Formats: sequence, structure tokens, C-alpha cells
Amino acid sequence: DAGITQSPRYKITETGRQVTLMCHQTWSHSYMFWYRQDLGHGLRLIYYSAAADITDKGEVPDGYVVSRSKTENFPLTLESATRSQTSVYFCASTGYSNQPQHFGDGTRLSIL
Amino acid sequence: AQSVSQHNHHVILSEAASLELGCNYSYGGTVNLFWYVQYPGQHLQLLLKYFSGDPLVKGIKGFEAEFIKSKFSFNLRKPSVQWSDTAEYFCAVNAANAGNMLTFGGGTRLMVKP
Repeated sequence: DAGITQSPRYKITETGRQVTLMCHQTWSHSYMFWYRQDLGHGLRLIYYSAAADITDKGEVPDGYVVSRSKTENFPLTLESATRSQTSVYFCASTGYSNQPQHFGDGTRLSIL
Repeated sequence: AQSVSQHNHHVILSEAASLELGCNYSYGGTVNLFWYVQYPGQHLQLLLKYFSGDPLVKGIKGFEAEFIKSKFSFNLRKPSVQWSDTAEYFCAVNAANAGNMLTFGGGTRLMVKP
């Protein structure tokens, strides 16, 4: 079934560790996004990508790295995790300009 | 940069009560507007969207929203809520000069008491 898949769903790690969150979509959407969801802040854009090999910073990019070597994958890496990065992370995609974004189920990340 | 404000952080209603959730945005140019819903433990789902045309848009599950350009508002309404509407609701704005980027409001948590 086509869709957008995030993995893992839950992750616990320690400060200073590197962790990568995966996002895979089967629609061949050009645009992909990473958000973090924190209480009282709604969703804030971390990074986005308009196409393979094209990425750009969003509102809160510090401490995160992304890559997009293939259209269907958009991994998000925390190179050295900090407690402030404890959050729920959502990946989203859309195929055309100004069309609704479709969201994955989220990854709940806890950093101890 | 644009911002989106949702005035009510928490709303508690009884079943059959009417609902109105406020959303205001700060961008003065052309915008596309969205309401998303997030049921407990689930991902965000699109409720409705406004791109152009009739400012009163109807979405799924009996929800509707009205775009009032002069007030920079896009309030969500439902005449009679059900227990199953318990969820968090997010307003989002896409400014015409922002490509596909969305700016989200802080969300409103709705609890409907049976």
C-alpha cells in the first residue's frame, strides 16, 4: 500500500550519540519535509527538500543533518543528540506546489 | 516570516455542542490555508483546505472553515461535535512566496465529553 513510512516509531538514546530517523515514501513526491512537534509549539520545520540532492533549512535546523540521494528517502540525522532534541518527529511529502502535505506516523525520540 | 496563532490551547465540550476554533495568520499576501487533525497516537490528517474561490470550505467529518481575508482568519467550525472528535487540531498556512513550506499554529487540544 502506497504511503509514507517512518522508522523507528520509538527510539531512546543518550546524549552525544548519533541517531538517524528514516523516512520513505512510495508516491515519488518531489517535496519532503521534517518537522518536530513539541507541546505548545505545534509543528516546526527542521529541513525540507524540493527534489533529490536539493535540501534547505527550515525554522529549527541546528543540530540536524539531512540528505536526499533518492527521491523516496529523506533521512534525518542528529549528529550528537542533546536532551532538547527529545521530541516527536514527523516526516511529510507532497507532489506539487501548494498541495497538502501527507504525514508519516511519527517517531517518538527520547534523549536521556 | 509569517506566523500562525491558535488562540485556544485547550477546549472541552460536551457532545452535540458547537465548535469554533480560531486561527489567525500574519502574512499579508496570497495564502493557502489548511486545517489538520491529529487523533491520539496518530499522524496528522488533512481536514480541509482553502486555495481560492468560495471562502467557506467544507471538509471531512462535518467540519467547515471560513476564510476572512480582512481579518487574516481561517476559523474551523462544526455544528455538533462527537466524542470521536477528541483530537488536536492544527491550522497551517502556506504563503505564496514560501514554496511548499507550511507554518503551523501551536495546536488546539479538543476534548469532547460523552
